[in-house]
Amino acid sequence: DTGVSQDPRHKITKRGQNVTFRCDPISEHNRLYWYRQTLGQGPEFLTYFQNEAQLEKSRLLSDRFSAERPKGSFSTLEIQRTEQGDSAMYLCASSSGFPTNEKLFFGSGTQLSVL
Amino acid sequence: AQRVTQPEKLLSVFKGAPVELKCNYSYSGSPELFWYVQYSRQRLQLLLRHISRESIKGFTADLNKGETSFHLKKPFAQEEDSAMYYCAHRPLDMRFGAGTRLTVKP
Repeated sequence: DTGVSQDPRHKITKRGQNVTFRCDPISEHNRLYWYRQTLGQGPEFLTYFQNEAQLEKSRLLSDRFSAERPKGSFSTLEIQRTEQGDSAMYLCASSSGFPTNEKLFFGSGTQLSVL
Repeated sequence: AQRVTQPEKLLSVFKGAPVELKCNYSYSGSPELFWYVQYSRQRLQLLLRHISRESIKGFTADLNKGETSFHLKKPFAQEEDSAMYYCAHRPLDMRFGAGTRLTVKP
C-alpha cells in the first residue's frame, strides 16, 4: 500500500499522559497536513509542513501540541499532558503539485481516547 | 475570517432525485475551492476541484462569485452517493467546512 499511513490506529490513554502519533506520507509528496476531527464536525486544521518547514500552525492549538517533520519525510504529532477534550480522530494528509490544483491524500487516522 | 460554510448538516433524497449540497464562502479574491467525500469506512478523498471544471461520478460544482457559492449538484442521485461531503478551500492551506451527510433512499 503506497498511500498515507498513520500509526497507531487507536490510542487509549489516561489524562495527563503524553502521546505521539506518526504519519508516513506518500513518498514524493512535499506537503503534509495534520487535522483533528470530532464527531459531527469537519476536519479542523492543526498544522502544515512544506518539506521539513512548519509553515502554519492553528491558533487554536495549545502549547501542549507539537509536530515535527524531520528531513521532510514522516511526521510526528505529540500531545503533552493530554486532556479529555483532546479525544478525537487525528488525520494526516499529504499532497504535491501546484497549490490551486492540490489533491490531498488522507490516512485512515488515529483515534485518541483520553480517559 | 476566510471560511466555507455548509448550512445543512443532513440531506436526504430519494434515488433518482436531483441533489444539491450547499457551500458558501466568505472571502474576496479568487477562491480555490474543492469538494471532498468520505464514504462509510473509507478515507476522506477528493471529489472535485473548481479549477478543473470537471464532472466526477455525475457530480458538478459551479463557482458563483455573485452569490459566493460553490454548490455540489447531481441530477439523479444514486444510493452509492450516500456519504459525508465536505466543502474545502485553500487560502494558504486546506481548510474544511463542517460537512453534510447525504442519504439517498431507495
